[in-house]
Amino acid sequence: DAKTTQPNSMESNEEEPVHLPCNHSTISGTDYIHWYRQLPSQGPEYVIHGLTSNVNNRMASLAIAEDRKSSTLILHRATLRDAAVYYCILRGYNTNAGKSTFGDGTTLTVKP
Amino acid sequence: EAQVTQNPRYLITVTGKKLTVTCSQNMNHEYMSWYRQDPGLGLRQIYYSMNVEATDKGDVPEGYKVSRKEKRNFPLILESPSPNQTSLYFCASSLGRGHEQYFGPGTRLTVT
Repeated sequence: DAKTTQPNSMESNEEEPVHLPCNHSTISGTDYIHWYRQLPSQGPEYVIHGLTSNVNNRMASLAIAEDRKSSTLILHRATLRDAAVYYCILRGYNTNAGKSTFGDGTTLTVKP
Repeated sequence: EAQVTQNPRYLITVTGKKLTVTCSQNMNHEYMSWYRQDPGLGLRQIYYSMNVEATDKGDVPEGYKVSRKEKRNFPLILESPSPNQTSLYFCASSLGRGHEQYFGPGTRLTVT
């Protein structure tokens, strides 16, 4: 199964942009890149996903490298409510389409 | 309101006493999954289902059973719980291949 690698932790100042990296060098052509976050004492929450092109939604932006071996989740203006563990995972479209392997994620600390 | 519900939210039981944790979604999603989350080990997928009567093992299926007789429900069965199954369990659903997952609120299980 394709795995992802993320830094254990990152810090940001409030109202500044945050770039959370993810490496997925063994990604296959049909794998979607998904990002979730988990706030303390809550279930994971979907943030954004993409296949090849960069994606934007109301929560964040996803920048995908041209070779798709890495991606970056961008929070444009971090708030204290964005402090969470962020997970980057791959979800296949063909084989093992329902399989999901979460890594350790990145713990984001937002300083006021 | 679109949601994934789990019951019970909290459960304390004894070793060997069969239990079922229910999961239901009201979004007509095809895919459903069960995860467990343990400190230091992150989220690990137990089983997933691609549709009614179609299930497959995740990364940690030992000691668990699932069934998918109706599209909306995906119960997790522990035939003979053991203390090492003490964990926080999450159910999730998604519309289909490659789509985002929606997680339930979690079930905290303690097996003594």
